[in-house]
Amino acid sequence: KAGVTQTPRYLIKTRGQQVTLSCSPISGHRSVSWYQQTPGQGLQFLFEYFSETQRNKGNFPGRFSGRQFSNSRSEMNVSTLELGDSALYLCASSPSMGNTQYFGPGTRLTVL
Amino acid sequence: QQQVKQSPQSLIVQKGGISIINCAYENTAFDYFPWYQQFPGKGPALLIAIRPDVSEKKEGRFTISFNKSAKQFSLHIMDSQPGDSATYFCAASKTDKLIFGTGTRLQVFP
Repeated sequence: KAGVTQTPRYLIKTRGQQVTLSCSPISGHRSVSWYQQTPGQGLQFLFEYFSETQRNKGNFPGRFSGRQFSNSRSEMNVSTLELGDSALYLCASSPSMGNTQYFGPGTRLTVL
Repeated sequence: QQQVKQSPQSLIVQKGGISIINCAYENTAFDYFPWYQQFPGKGPALLIAIRPDVSEKKEGRFTISFNKSAKQFSLHIMDSQPGDSATYFCAASKTDKLIFGTGTRLQVFP
């Protein structure tokens, strides 16, 4: 089976812009979670979707949002980008809630 | 109460030696404890995981030891190899929300 794929792999934006990141889970997986990884804060949970519904949300501002489509693919959106949003954004999928999560390679976002 | 504390921050081991990384948690509701390995430029890859109903789980050279009463768990890498050089993260969860430790950078020298 193909692993979790994320697009784009690299992205450069300027402050104030918005960005959309995409994640395709492993075939058959219905749960998708998003994490932010930075050198200072480490790996932090953003949100989790299952069957197109957000089930869990981390402690991030409302500028961070996401959605899941009927084919389980997911997108996350960050509006009004700030310099501190520069990070590796990781998507993870699992067959259903409470199962092992498999991570994609991430999208490296740089905000200038 | 949601934190997972991981130590050491970095670890240098000679080839063939044992690498030991420790984690501690507070929230007794956690019921799933995975370890992930991450190489530069890659996403974390699941190494091994344990649930609190067992005290030890071994897969190849990797062993998790779990102490429920102390709320601690550790990763042991036996016969460490240069290819094991990576950053290792412990994590804990109740639902699909993984709470990660701060990571341990392991360097294995020949």
